[in-house]
Amino acid sequence: GAVVSQHPSRVICKSGTSVKIECRSLDFQATTMFWYRQFPKQSLMLMATSNEGSKATYEQGVEKDKFLINHASLTLSTLTVTSAHPEDSSFYICSARDQAIRQETQYFGPGTRLLVL
Amino acid sequence: DQQVKQNSPSLSVQEGRISILNCDYTNSMFDYFLWYKKYPAEGPTFLISISSIKDKNEDGRFTVFLNKSAKHLSLHIVPSQPGDSAVYFCAAIRAGNTGKLIFGQGTTLQVKP
Repeated sequence: GAVVSQHPSRVICKSGTSVKIECRSLDFQATTMFWYRQFPKQSLMLMATSNEGSKATYEQGVEKDKFLINHASLTLSTLTVTSAHPEDSSFYICSARDQAIRQETQYFGPGTRLLVL
Repeated sequence: DQQVKQNSPSLSVQEGRISILNCDYTNSMFDYFLWYKKYPAEGPTFLISISSIKDKNEDGRFTVFLNKSAKHLSLHIVPSQPGDSAVYFCAAIRAGNTGKLIFGQGTTLQVKP
């Protein structure tokens, strides 16, 4: 299957700082990428849809000024958690669709564990 | 409103036997369904999918069955192996909805040697 990478895999930061997470599609182009968040023992919750060359679409209840998304190229989307607080601590996962093949299948990155102290 | 439901939080089977994971959905507009496997602290791995125009799709040890009238799908793993132990998520996509996946709550499968 297609490969999606995330960086960093784990980050610990102080409250009030901003953290950037990168999501890359390594062997395919993705005009659309998705950002999810998972709390312990819960399902994946979609935060936003990242569209290359245009503004991201945020799900209800997700603050767009808090979670900044930039999809500057067909292989890279970034999620910046601004002024992070302990309640932002979570597991963040991105996914991407290979527009050239099965459009419906999303391939996920390995996730980023964020801990805000 | 939980549109995709996995009512069994956990399942335990013996190695070599069949594992059956179930998923129910409420939205008849869903037209594509996927199963993902997830280990702790890792991203989900795509396993198998099925279009709403089909009732069965098979890939190696994995088979997905879709019953549209019952709004139910299931994932069969035969034979089950200890390495299959993980959390399995059912997900659905609605046509024209920009590819947004709606996930179920997940079922933790444990395959005992």
